[in-house]
Amino acid sequence: QSMLTQPPSVSGAPGQRVTISCTGTNSNLGAGYGVHWYQHVPGTAPKLLIYGNDNRPSGVPDRFSGFKSGTSASLAITGLQAEDEADYYCQSYDRGLSGVLFGGGTKLTVL
Amino acid sequence: QVQLVESGGGLVKPGGSLRLSCTTSGFTFTDYYMAWIRLAPGQGLEWLSYISGSGGTIYYADSVKGRFTVSRESGKNSLFLHMNSLRAEDTAVYFCARDKDNYFDSWGQGTLVTVSS
Repeated sequence: QSMLTQPPSVSGAPGQRVTISCTGTNSNLGAGYGVHWYQHVPGTAPKLLIYGNDNRPSGVPDRFSGFKSGTSASLAITGLQAEDEADYYCQSYDRGLSGVLFGGGTKLTVL
Repeated sequence: QVQLVESGGGLVKPGGSLRLSCTTSGFTFTDYYMAWIRLAPGQGLEWLSYISGSGGTIYYADSVKGRFTVSRESGKNSLFLHMNSLRAEDTAVYFCARDKDNYFDSWGQGTLVTVSS
């Protein structure tokens, strides 16, 4: 089955650490395809945060980190800031779909 | 710097058609696959299609196959999405994005398509 599953929401206080999980299947993450993460503030262009499991594009703070193992991946955000409040999406390639697959998205609330 | 600007969205009746455009600058357009991705109200991001730098390789998601057609014009550094037989569930913000090895490193701001009678 072709799915990437994320929790609908997470929250944390400023300065705290939060993680967002992304669970895939053997047709995407488990098949060895990389996971990528995006940050989206409604009304703006989505922004690439992590590519290839754990790589940060230039300009992305090192507070953001990615991890992948088997069919699971996660995005960690440390030193939470108010500006981190956004929707976060994981993404991979799925061989069953022969195309790109996004997770359902996770809304991060900074308390 | 890399810029992508979508246009062409609007209100269209069910069964109608619309053509979206994405004008790009700041990079060699023909060196990259380009993609269309949408965000429907209350939903997550959904990949729709991508097209190779030459235009010779194209893929579609099942949800739009046979109704949507992607194309590109290298002389204008532009990407297009021709949408036919539109349905209410096609209502969404449509983004174009630069594809870099099956992830998207630059996105436009999006254009809103509303399908309603």
